Amino acid sequence: SQTIHQWPATLVQPVGSPLSLECTVEGTSNPNLYWYRQAAGRGLQLLFYSVGIGQISSEVPQNLSASRPQDRQFILSSKKLLLSDSGFYLCARGGASTDTQYFGPGTRLTVL
Amino acid sequence: GENVEQHPSTLSVQEGDSAVIKCTYSDSASNYFPWYKQELGKRPQLIIDIRSNVGEKKDQRIAVTLNKTAKHFSLHITETQPEDSAVYFCAAMDSTLTFGKGTMLLVSP
Repeated sequence: SQTIHQWPATLVQPVGSPLSLECTVEGTSNPNLYWYRQAAGRGLQLLFYSVGIGQISSEVPQNLSASRPQDRQFILSSKKLLLSDSGFYLCARGGASTDTQYFGPGTRLTVL
Repeated sequence: GENVEQHPSTLSVQEGDSAVIKCTYSDSASNYFPWYKQELGKRPQLIIDIRSNVGEKKDQRIAVTLNKTAKHFSLHITETQPEDSAVYFCAAMDSTLTFGKGTMLLVSP
Protein backbone atom coordinates (compact mmCIF):
# COMPACT_ATOMS: atom_id res chain seq x y z
CA SER A 1 0.00 0.00 0.00
CA GLN A 2 1.04 3.58 -0.45
CA THR A 3 1.14 5.25 2.97
CA ILE A 4 1.72 8.86 3.91
CA HIS A 5 3.25 9.74 7.28
CA GLN A 6 3.20 13.17 8.83
CA TRP A 7 4.72 14.35 12.07
CA PRO A 8 4.20 15.72 14.48
CA ALA A 9 0.46 15.12 14.74
CA THR A 10 -0.07 18.24 16.85
CA LEU A 11 2.15 21.20 17.63
CA VAL A 12 1.82 24.34 19.73
CA GLN A 13 4.40 27.01 18.98
CA PRO A 14 4.93 30.64 20.09
CA VAL A 15 4.83 33.48 17.59
CA GLY A 16 8.25 34.07 16.08
CA SER A 17 9.50 30.52 16.58
CA PRO A 18 10.70 28.30 13.72
CA LEU A 19 8.75 25.42 12.21
CA SER A 20 9.57 22.14 10.55
CA LEU A 21 6.86 19.69 9.47
CA GLU A 22 7.78 16.45 7.79
CA CYS A 23 5.95 14.25 5.33
CA THR A 24 7.21 10.89 4.09
CA VAL A 25 5.63 8.54 1.60
CA GLU A 26 5.96 4.75 1.36
CA GLY A 27 5.31 2.35 -1.48
CA THR A 28 5.80 4.62 -4.46
CA SER A 29 8.71 6.25 -6.23
CA ASN A 30 8.88 9.80 -7.58
CA PRO A 31 5.38 10.78 -6.45
CA ASN A 32 4.01 14.28 -6.88
CA LEU A 33 3.83 15.75 -3.37
CA TYR A 34 1.74 18.64 -2.06
CA TRP A 35 1.39 20.78 1.06
CA TYR A 36 -2.05 22.19 1.86
CA ARG A 37 -3.27 24.32 4.76
CA GLN A 38 -6.79 24.24 6.13
CA ALA A 39 -7.75 27.06 8.50
CA ALA A 40 -10.43 26.27 11.10
CA GLY A 41 -13.76 25.68 9.37
CA ARG A 42 -12.33 26.59 5.98
CA GLY A 43 -11.38 24.96 2.70
CA LEU A 44 -8.04 23.64 1.52
CA GLN A 45 -5.38 26.02 0.27
CA LEU A 46 -2.49 24.68 -1.80
CA LEU A 47 0.83 26.00 -0.48
CA PHE A 48 3.53 24.08 -2.37
CA TYR A 49 3.90 21.16 -4.73
CA SER A 50 6.84 19.12 -5.96
CA VAL A 51 7.22 16.86 -8.98
CA GLY A 52 10.69 15.64 -8.00
CA ILE A 53 13.72 16.04 -5.74
CA GLY A 54 14.68 19.69 -5.37
CA GLN A 55 11.72 20.85 -7.49
CA ILE A 56 9.34 23.09 -5.55
CA SER A 57 6.53 25.27 -6.87
CA SER A 58 4.98 27.87 -4.57
CA GLU A 59 1.34 28.77 -4.94
CA VAL A 60 0.96 31.41 -2.25
CA PRO A 61 3.62 33.96 -1.19
CA GLN A 62 4.07 33.78 2.57
CA ASN A 63 6.63 33.19 5.29
CA LEU A 64 6.65 29.43 4.64
CA SER A 65 9.04 27.42 2.51
CA ALA A 66 9.24 23.82 1.36
CA SER A 67 12.02 21.42 0.47
CA ARG A 68 12.26 17.94 -0.99
CA PRO A 69 15.64 16.54 0.00
CA GLN A 70 14.72 12.95 -0.90
CA ASP A 71 12.31 11.33 -3.34
CA ARG A 72 9.79 10.39 -0.65
CA GLN A 73 10.33 13.25 1.81
CA PHE A 74 8.67 16.67 1.76
CA ILE A 75 9.36 19.28 4.44
CA LEU A 76 7.48 22.47 5.27
CA SER A 77 9.42 25.13 7.17
CA SER A 78 9.23 28.62 8.56
CA LYS A 79 11.87 30.81 10.16
CA LYS A 80 9.36 32.85 12.17
CA LEU A 81 5.77 31.77 12.74
CA LEU A 82 2.85 34.20 12.64
CA LEU A 83 -0.51 33.83 14.41
CA SER A 84 -2.10 33.42 10.97
CA ASP A 85 0.00 30.28 10.37
CA SER A 86 -2.26 28.30 12.70
CA GLY A 87 -4.17 25.56 10.94
CA PHE A 88 -4.32 21.96 9.82
CA TYR A 89 -1.40 21.15 7.51
CA LEU A 90 -1.97 18.30 5.11
CA CYS A 91 0.55 16.57 2.91
CA ALA A 92 -0.81 14.83 -0.18
CA ARG A 93 0.65 12.59 -2.85
CA GLY A 94 -0.31 12.04 -6.46
CA GLY A 95 -1.79 8.61 -7.23
CA ALA A 96 -1.25 6.14 -10.06
CA SER A 97 -2.85 8.75 -12.24
CA THR A 98 -1.08 11.95 -11.25
CA ASP A 99 -4.43 13.75 -11.10
CA THR A 100 -5.65 11.80 -8.08
CA GLN A 101 -4.44 13.04 -4.69
CA TYR A 102 -4.47 11.24 -1.36
CA PHE A 103 -3.97 13.01 1.93
CA GLY A 104 -1.81 12.19 4.92
CA PRO A 105 -3.17 12.35 8.49
CA GLY A 106 -2.20 16.00 8.93
CA THR A 107 -0.47 18.17 11.53
CA ARG A 108 -2.57 20.49 13.65
CA LEU A 109 -0.52 23.64 14.35
CA THR A 110 -1.50 26.25 16.91
CA VAL A 111 0.55 29.44 17.07
CA LEU A 112 0.09 31.40 20.31
CA GLY B 1 -6.47 30.67 -12.22
CA GLU B 2 -9.31 28.30 -11.42
CA ASN B 3 -12.17 29.36 -9.14
CA VAL B 4 -14.57 26.81 -7.61
CA GLU B 5 -17.86 27.76 -6.01
CA GLN B 6 -19.70 25.21 -3.85
CA HIS B 7 -23.33 25.26 -2.59
CA PRO B 8 -24.90 24.92 -0.15
CA SER B 9 -22.53 25.60 2.73
CA THR B 10 -24.71 23.49 5.05
CA LEU B 11 -27.28 20.84 4.26
CA SER B 12 -29.54 19.05 6.73
CA VAL B 13 -31.52 15.98 5.67
CA GLN B 14 -33.41 13.15 7.32
CA GLU B 15 -32.00 9.66 7.18
CA GLY B 16 -33.06 7.98 3.96
CA ASP B 17 -33.43 11.23 2.01
CA SER B 18 -31.19 12.21 -0.89
CA ALA B 19 -28.58 14.96 -0.72
CA VAL B 20 -27.22 17.02 -3.60
CA ILE B 21 -24.17 19.30 -3.48
CA LYS B 22 -23.35 21.52 -6.45
CA CYS B 23 -20.13 23.09 -7.67
CA THR B 24 -19.22 25.41 -10.51
CA TYR B 25 -15.79 26.06 -11.94
CA SER B 26 -14.37 28.82 -14.09
CA ASP B 27 -11.52 27.34 -16.14
CA SER B 28 -12.72 25.39 -19.18
CA ALA B 29 -9.30 23.67 -19.27
CA SER B 30 -10.06 21.82 -16.01
CA ASN B 31 -10.44 18.12 -16.75
CA TYR B 32 -10.54 16.28 -13.43
CA PHE B 33 -13.12 16.70 -10.65
CA PRO B 34 -12.74 14.80 -7.35
CA TRP B 35 -14.98 14.85 -4.29
CA TYR B 36 -13.63 14.43 -0.76
CA LYS B 37 -15.35 13.64 2.52
CA GLN B 38 -13.82 15.00 5.72
CA GLU B 39 -14.98 13.88 9.13
CA LEU B 40 -14.27 16.09 12.12
CA GLY B 41 -10.54 16.23 12.89
CA LYS B 42 -9.65 13.77 10.15
CA ARG B 43 -7.99 13.96 6.76
CA PRO B 44 -10.09 14.44 3.58
CA GLN B 45 -10.88 11.09 1.97
CA LEU B 46 -11.46 10.73 -1.77
CA ILE B 47 -14.94 9.28 -2.30
CA ILE B 48 -15.48 9.62 -6.04
CA ASP B 49 -14.01 11.45 -9.01
CA ILE B 50 -14.90 12.14 -12.63
CA ARG B 51 -12.92 13.15 -15.68
CA SER B 52 -14.05 15.54 -18.38
CA ASN B 53 -14.66 12.81 -20.96
CA VAL B 54 -17.42 11.28 -18.79
CA GLY B 55 -20.84 12.77 -17.93
CA GLU B 56 -21.79 10.63 -14.95
CA LYS B 57 -20.23 8.12 -12.59
CA LYS B 58 -21.82 5.98 -9.87
CA ASP B 59 -20.48 4.07 -6.91
CA GLN B 60 -23.23 2.44 -4.84
CA ARG B 61 -25.14 5.30 -3.13
CA ILE B 62 -22.89 8.02 -4.52
CA ALA B 63 -22.99 9.54 -7.99
CA VAL B 64 -21.34 12.51 -9.65
CA THR B 65 -22.54 14.34 -12.74
CA LEU B 66 -20.57 16.76 -14.91
CA ASN B 67 -21.85 19.36 -17.34
CA LYS B 68 -18.82 20.70 -19.21
CA THR B 69 -20.82 23.22 -21.22
CA ALA B 70 -22.23 24.85 -18.12
CA LYS B 71 -19.05 24.21 -16.12
CA HIS B 72 -20.79 22.61 -13.19
CA PHE B 73 -20.69 19.25 -11.43
CA SER B 74 -22.73 17.75 -8.63
CA LEU B 75 -22.52 15.07 -5.95
CA HIS B 76 -25.63 12.98 -5.30
CA ILE B 77 -25.98 10.80 -2.21
CA THR B 78 -29.04 8.56 -2.04
CA GLU B 79 -30.52 6.82 1.01
CA THR B 80 -28.45 8.94 3.37
CA GLN B 81 -27.29 7.48 6.66
CA PRO B 82 -26.06 9.23 9.85
CA GLU B 83 -22.50 8.13 9.05
CA ASP B 84 -22.68 10.25 5.86
CA SER B 85 -22.54 13.32 8.13
CA ALA B 86 -19.31 15.16 7.33
CA VAL B 87 -17.92 18.07 5.34
CA TYR B 88 -17.76 17.42 1.60
CA PHE B 89 -15.36 19.23 -0.72
CA CYS B 90 -15.43 19.43 -4.48
CA ALA B 91 -12.35 20.30 -6.49
CA ALA B 92 -11.33 21.02 -10.07
CA MET B 93 -7.95 20.51 -11.66
CA ASP B 94 -6.37 22.50 -14.46
CA SER B 95 -2.69 22.27 -13.46
CA THR B 96 -3.35 22.01 -9.72
CA LEU B 97 -6.40 21.18 -7.60
CA THR B 98 -8.60 24.07 -6.54
CA PHE B 99 -11.11 23.24 -3.79
CA GLY B 100 -14.53 24.56 -3.02
CA LYS B 101 -15.17 25.86 0.49
CA GLY B 102 -17.03 22.77 1.60
CA THR B 103 -20.55 21.65 2.48
CA MET B 104 -21.40 20.44 5.97
CA LEU B 105 -23.90 17.60 5.58
CA LEU B 106 -25.94 16.65 8.64
CA VAL B 107 -28.03 13.49 8.44
CA SER B 108 -30.54 13.16 11.27
CA PRO B 109 -31.75 9.71 12.36
